[in-house]
Amino acid sequence: DQQVKQNSPSLSVQEGRISILNCDYTNSMFDYFLWYKKYPAEGPTFLISISSIKDKNEDGRFTVFLNKSAKHLSLHIVPSQPGDSAVYFCAASPNFGNEKLTFGTGTRLTIIP
Amino acid sequence: NAGVTQTPKFQVLKTGQSMTLQCAQDMNHEYMSWYRQDPGMGLRLIHYSVGAGITDQGEVPNGYNVSRSTTEDFPLRLLSAAPSQTSVYFCASSSFSGLNNAEAFFGQGTRLTVV
Repeated sequence: DQQVKQNSPSLSVQEGRISILNCDYTNSMFDYFLWYKKYPAEGPTFLISISSIKDKNEDGRFTVFLNKSAKHLSLHIVPSQPGDSAVYFCAASPNFGNEKLTFGTGTRLTIIP
Repeated sequence: NAGVTQTPKFQVLKTGQSMTLQCAQDMNHEYMSWYRQDPGMGLRLIHYSVGAGITDQGEVPNGYNVSRSTTEDFPLRLLSAAPSQTSVYFCASSSFSGLNNAEAFFGQGTRLTVV
């Protein structure tokens, strides 16, 4: 039972364009959502997060949108850069904490120069 | 600035052997967790701890033990290795943040192969 779903295993985007990565969840108890970026042979690194009391959080080129009624969140990267090529994981937590994260299966983003 | 340090980076075990994966953090974080990542799957929580002396099970705890005697260290023990435990293991630490923009810091991972 996959409680956090990333239905696109891969995505290719032209450099300079917008990258949109999607994530759906089923557990209504989740109230904190995070995006992590992972390069090969490295651990995941934190990108941006959003709590359920917000519908948008922005940090530089990265914006996360949360639609609670649809149980859907998305990560927008604009403009996309070659260094953004990585696997992106969506994660969720039930208690505004970080010790029990449920991860999606990841989306491999490739930025085409 | 070490962050979260995992050792070893690579390990090959024979079925039935036991071993301990080490994890240490130098950020004085209360929370520490162990995840495993398998091909085509996201990271899955094995065990976690909210402070020294306190541990609890995650989604896939069977075959693993943990203890948290200090704030800094959170070792993961494989009692009797099985091929199904072949995976990449990640340790993470974080601090309670409430509604703030918080993150969990991950180690570089331990790639374990059980033959």
